[in-house]
Amino acid sequence: AQSVSQHNHHVILSEAASLELGCNYSYGGTVNLFWYVQYPGQHLQLLLKYFSGDPLVKGIKGFEAEFIKSKFSFNLRKPSVQWSDTAEYFCAVNSNNAGNMLTFGGGTRLMVKP
Amino acid sequence: GAGVSQSPSNKVTEKGKDVELRCDPISGHTALYWYRQSLGQGLEFLIYFQGNSAPDKSGLPSDRFSAERTGGSVSTLTIQRTQQEDSAVYLCASSFGTSTLVLTEAFFGQGTRLTVV
Repeated sequence: AQSVSQHNHHVILSEAASLELGCNYSYGGTVNLFWYVQYPGQHLQLLLKYFSGDPLVKGIKGFEAEFIKSKFSFNLRKPSVQWSDTAEYFCAVNSNNAGNMLTFGGGTRLMVKP
Repeated sequence: GAGVSQSPSNKVTEKGKDVELRCDPISGHTALYWYRQSLGQGLEFLIYFQGNSAPDKSGLPSDRFSAERTGGSVSTLTIQRTQQEDSAVYLCASSFGTSTLVLTEAFFGQGTRLTVV
């Protein structure tokens, strides 16, 4: 069974600091990778996704993620965070060989101090 | 509708009662997921439907939980004899794809906040 690990459960940063959230997955086949964000009081929404092609993916609000197949990783990055980035971030993976099943990591709570 | 719709948005029930939570996926989406999000916890997978295939029920925490998807569209999650530990936000998501090909990301509903008192 596939699994997704997010190493940082809680991250606190000051505004303008750089962000990197780790995500590793277990499945070795063809995968599709996602980062979702949940702002306080809101529903989950897609931040960015990787299906194929350029392993460096750009998303909304200045976020990007890099798919490194050899490391089974899909880390999320942002060069300069803002207070409005305070949210919970979830990495997710599904694979074309696992019946399209979507598996989520445990989430990372990011707090950005103004 | 334009997005995934869940009802009710909030449900308070007494311990021991049965509850039904409803999910209307995006029209045409073949995959439907149920997750549970408890306070301070991540997303716990419950059940997954893909087209006409048998659902993946491996995440259901006990036999008090069941779900069905009628006509490949609307889904109902039923919790029998609710317990206080069932209190959580129940999230539904849908996506477009087949059992072997992912075509879109999953789109989430607003969730149903279940409180068992």
